[in-house]
Amino acid sequence: AQSVTQPDIHITVSEGASLELRCNYSYGATPYLFWYVQSPGQGLQLLLKYFSGDTLVQGIKGFEAEFKRSQSSFNLRKPSVHWSDAAEYFCAVGTNSGNTPLVFGKGTRLSVIA
Amino acid sequence: GAGVSQSPSNKVTEKGKDVELRCDPISGHTALYWYRQSLGQGLEFLIYFQGNSAPDKSGLPSDRFSAERTGGSVSTLTIQRTQQEDSAVYLCASSLIAGAQYFGPGTRLTVT
Repeated sequence: AQSVTQPDIHITVSEGASLELRCNYSYGATPYLFWYVQSPGQGLQLLLKYFSGDTLVQGIKGFEAEFKRSQSSFNLRKPSVHWSDAAEYFCAVGTNSGNTPLVFGKGTRLSVIA
Repeated sequence: GAGVSQSPSNKVTEKGKDVELRCDPISGHTALYWYRQSLGQGLEFLIYFQGNSAPDKSGLPSDRFSAERTGGSVSTLTIQRTQQEDSAVYLCASSLIAGAQYFGPGTRLTVT
């Protein structure tokens, strides 16, 4: 069975600073990988996804993530954080056999300070 | 286009009552998922519908939970004899075959 670990429960960064949120997954085959963002009281918004091909994927809002098979990682990055990026971020893994339920990490809460 | 919609957005119910939560997926999406989000458990899969296939109910926590999907579109999640531990945000998502899942805004259920 798949699993996802997000080692950082809470991260605080200054506005304008760079950001990296860590995600490690466990799955025996090539995974489908996702990052979602959730603002308070809202549903989950898809930031980006990796299915195959180029291991560096671009998403919305200036986010990118890199799939590293050797490290079983899919870290999310942004070069310059904006105050509006403060939210909860979830990494998720699905299998490559088609539609399957996602397994989510516990999430990382991002705070942005001036 | 329209995204996934869920109703009601908030539901407060008394312990022991039944509740129904509704999900309208994105038009044309063949797969529909229900998840539950709670403070202690994070995001948990509940049930999954794909086309006309039998649903995958492996995530349902008890037989008090059930769901149906009518006409391959709208889905209703029913919780019978609600308990306080059922209090959570219930999220619905839909997708195309082998596509990313898109989530609705959720229904916050509070059992008093």
